[in-house]
Amino acid sequence: EAGVTQFPSHSVIEKGQTVTLRCDPISGHDNLYWYRRVMGKEIKFLLHFVKESKQDESGMPNNRFLAERTGGTYSTLKVQPAELEDSGVYFCASGIQGRGTEAFFGQGTRLTVV
Amino acid sequence: AQRVTQPEKLLSVFKGAPVELKCNYSYSGSPELFWYVQYSRQRLQLLLRHISRESIKGFTADLNKGETSFHLKKPFAQEEDSAMYYCALSRKYGGSQGNLIFGKGTKLSVKP
Repeated sequence: EAGVTQFPSHSVIEKGQTVTLRCDPISGHDNLYWYRRVMGKEIKFLLHFVKESKQDESGMPNNRFLAERTGGTYSTLKVQPAELEDSGVYFCASGIQGRGTEAFFGQGTRLTVV
Repeated sequence: AQRVTQPEKLLSVFKGAPVELKCNYSYSGSPELFWYVQYSRQRLQLLLRHISRESIKGFTADLNKGETSFHLKKPFAQEEDSAMYYCALSRKYGGSQGNLIFGKGTKLSVKP
């Protein structure tokens, strides 16, 4: 069974450019989460989809970040325009509904804004 | 405020020694707690969860609500246990799984 897949694995862009990160969850997982770890800080929640609906987007840092999950399958996270402080590792995770269920993580996308 | 604290950034032990990775939490409600592990060049993966009360790879963790702790323990460390360990707390929305609040992580290094 394929795990959570993220594209690209690494992206280097200039400040002011746009970047789109993609996450393919495990098939059948209704829950999809985006997290981010910036240098020296803890992994922080960005947002949570249940199917195609945003359940919680309280962790999104500002309106330069836009997440979508059309059709309830894969998700994209767009950063436009990127700033230096957006550099970090962006993780996607997916899971099924239910108490205490596991979140399966992707390998992460390392974003470097120069 | 909801928070997970892992006081040790790095823990270094010798093979065969006992290990305890500390985790304290702050949460108003009934928490669900997890330990996730990230081995070198691998993705973050679940190690264990408090509701299962299981032992995985020799590790156990007991939820202590009085001390608001969920420390991870193993009686005899192995070199292959060297990894980054994250304690996490799950927020819930109406009974279903919510997002995870992570601690900063503890790097465990087991020396031969």
